[in-house]
Amino acid sequence: GENVEQHPSTLSVQEGDSAVIKCTYSDSASNYFPWYKQELGKRPQLIIDIRSNVGEKKDQRIAVTLNKTAKHFSLHITETQPEDSAVYFCAAWGSNYKLTFGKGTLLTVNP
Amino acid sequence: EPEVTQTPSHQVTQMGQEVILRCVPISNHLYFYWYRQILGQKVEFLVSFYNNEISEKSEIFDDQFSVERPDGSNFTLKIRSTKLEDSAMYFCANPRQEHTGELFFGEGSRLTVL
Repeated sequence: GENVEQHPSTLSVQEGDSAVIKCTYSDSASNYFPWYKQELGKRPQLIIDIRSNVGEKKDQRIAVTLNKTAKHFSLHITETQPEDSAVYFCAAWGSNYKLTFGKGTLLTVNP
Repeated sequence: EPEVTQTPSHQVTQMGQEVILRCVPISNHLYFYWYRQILGQKVEFLVSFYNNEISEKSEIFDDQFSVERPDGSNFTLKIRSTKLEDSAMYFCANPRQEHTGELFFGEGSRLTVL
């Protein structure tokens, strides 16, 4: 089955700096890669996604890149703000119609 | 935006007791999922349900677990004899569109097994 690896497990940045979280996946048939933000005690919320026919997607301060050949994708957050502090999960949607999640990255943005 | 609703929000139970968690999915969707998240860990796939049948289940989803659609709309996740390690958040989820991975998660049910 699909295996998703995510790094780093924790990331601490200063407000205004950029944050990058990286994921790799194993199933070459996976074709959809969402990123979820989860605040403490809350459900995962979709913040951005990318499909396998696209290399990059941007939404204001958030961008995601995908390298299908290398089977990795990344989340980029620019001009970080304290409210960006949360756990971020990458995921991959495979041919078995299920989402497999990475282990998560705890992002802390220090004011 | 469509909403997936779950009840109860929190349940405390004694080890060995049966627990039933409920979910009201986005209407008329054929695909349905249950995920679990142990505190501080990743979101783990439990089971997928397609067109009123289990489509796939993980190794976590052993004989103690069952999924039903008792009234044709709502879903239930039953744990027959809870163990301490069943303590977790349980999320149900629907895709925005069938056969896509854009899952909407419910608010979750926190299960605490004592």
